[in-house]
Amino acid sequence: DVKVTQSSRYLVKRTGEKVFLECVQDMDHENMFWYRQDPGLGLRLIYFSYDVKMKEKGDIPEGYSVSREKKERFSLILESASTNQTSMYLCASTPGRAGANTGELFFGEGSRLTVL
Amino acid sequence: AQSVTQLGSHVSVSEGALVLLRCNYSSSVPPYLFWYVQYPNQGLQLLLKYTSAATLVKGINGFEAEFKKSETSFHLTKPSAHMSDAAEYFCAVTRSGGYNKLIFGAGTRLAVHP
Repeated sequence: DVKVTQSSRYLVKRTGEKVFLECVQDMDHENMFWYRQDPGLGLRLIYFSYDVKMKEKGDIPEGYSVSREKKERFSLILESASTNQTSMYLCASTPGRAGANTGELFFGEGSRLTVL
Repeated sequence: AQSVTQLGSHVSVSEGALVLLRCNYSSSVPPYLFWYVQYPNQGLQLLLKYTSAATLVKGINGFEAEFKKSETSFHLTKPSAHMSDAAEYFCAVTRSGGYNKLIFGAGTRLAVHP
């Protein structure tokens, strides 16, 4: 079975702290994503990576950065957490190879971050 | 630019009643359309998808959706609701130039009462 694992389900941090959210997939997928989920806003794309060390900004990249040093791992970094970054963060992956990609995203269970 | 509108942030139905969740999209290119479901405290999982083949798409758990180009709609239906269908449902469309990068609607929370 396809598996996307997010290391922390619940985190509580203080304003100004540096926060790392980790995501690992075991499906050898090329593409990985970080989304933010807020009530009434659905999912919004923060960053996207289509290969190791490659990344693209999504719709709301401000205040975030990402790292992809290995194919299976995609990290989201909040350099200085703020209260408006309190949210649910969802990682997803999908194959990048032509013919293998059906458009379906495979999601992790989410990381709920609270910034005090 | 592509966009997705889900009509109704909350829908409540009785067990055994018809489920209808509405989704309208706008797209400058032929779209691929998806419905995802999110159960409490879980990530999203795919219910069904439309990728330009049959316009009536069947998914898991008895759900189906019909692509209507003239109405730019992709509504989700299920003939008879079960208590286990209570969840949040998201409609999504591919964006141009980014086959993998989906645009999601705001979501519809479905409540099923006895």
